[in-house]
Amino acid sequence: EAQVTQNPRYLITVTGKKLTVTCSQNMNHEYMSWYRQDPGLGLRQIYYSMNVEVTDKGDVPEGYKVSRKEKRNFPLILESPSPNQTSLYFCASCKGTGGAERNYEQYFGPGTRLTVT
Amino acid sequence: AQRVTQPEKLLSVFKGAPVELKCNYSYSGSPELFWYVQYSRQRLQLLLRHISRESIKGFTADLNKGETSFHLKKPFAQEEDSAMYYCARRLPHNTNAGKSTFGDGTTLTVKP
Repeated sequence: EAQVTQNPRYLITVTGKKLTVTCSQNMNHEYMSWYRQDPGLGLRQIYYSMNVEVTDKGDVPEGYKVSRKEKRNFPLILESPSPNQTSLYFCASCKGTGGAERNYEQYFGPGTRLTVT
Repeated sequence: AQRVTQPEKLLSVFKGAPVELKCNYSYSGSPELFWYVQYSRQRLQLLLRHISRESIKGFTADLNKGETSFHLKKPFAQEEDSAMYYCARRLPHNTNAGKSTFGDGTTLTVKP
């Protein structure tokens, strides 16, 4: 089944304790992206990756890191989490962003609910 | 900054009534616009995209470049349409094709 998976689905942690949220897709998609969803603020893009070893900042990258060492995985790293990073995080992937592919849909993961105390 | 505006956070209609979810965008180039839907306890999924000019689940959306709008419409709302709806855009290919901007979302409630 074609899908985007995220782990963990729920995480409660403390301020300053490094954590990684994994994201994996099995559709051979070139493009992957991370979003956070907050009440009243909708979805905001954190980082995205156009292909392996190609990453770039979205609208709210502060406090986050990403890597894209292989096509299927796009982990989100919080080196020193803070309470304002408490949010619902979504990973998404898309076939591509160039030419006709720019109108392809993004496939979303189930979300990771993170609480930082 | 590129923006997508959904002016209504909450929208409530009765079953069978017409519904319109508003979306306005800012950008002078050729937009690539989408509507995504998130049903309760489910992941976001694509509803429709402007390039396809399609009708999905009775919903349509027309791109109005003059008004920079991409409103989502359905003539007769159903209870199963109750969900969160996001309008989204992607920058054109030759600009920064990886950036996606979503609106704040509109929660639609269809009452019986």
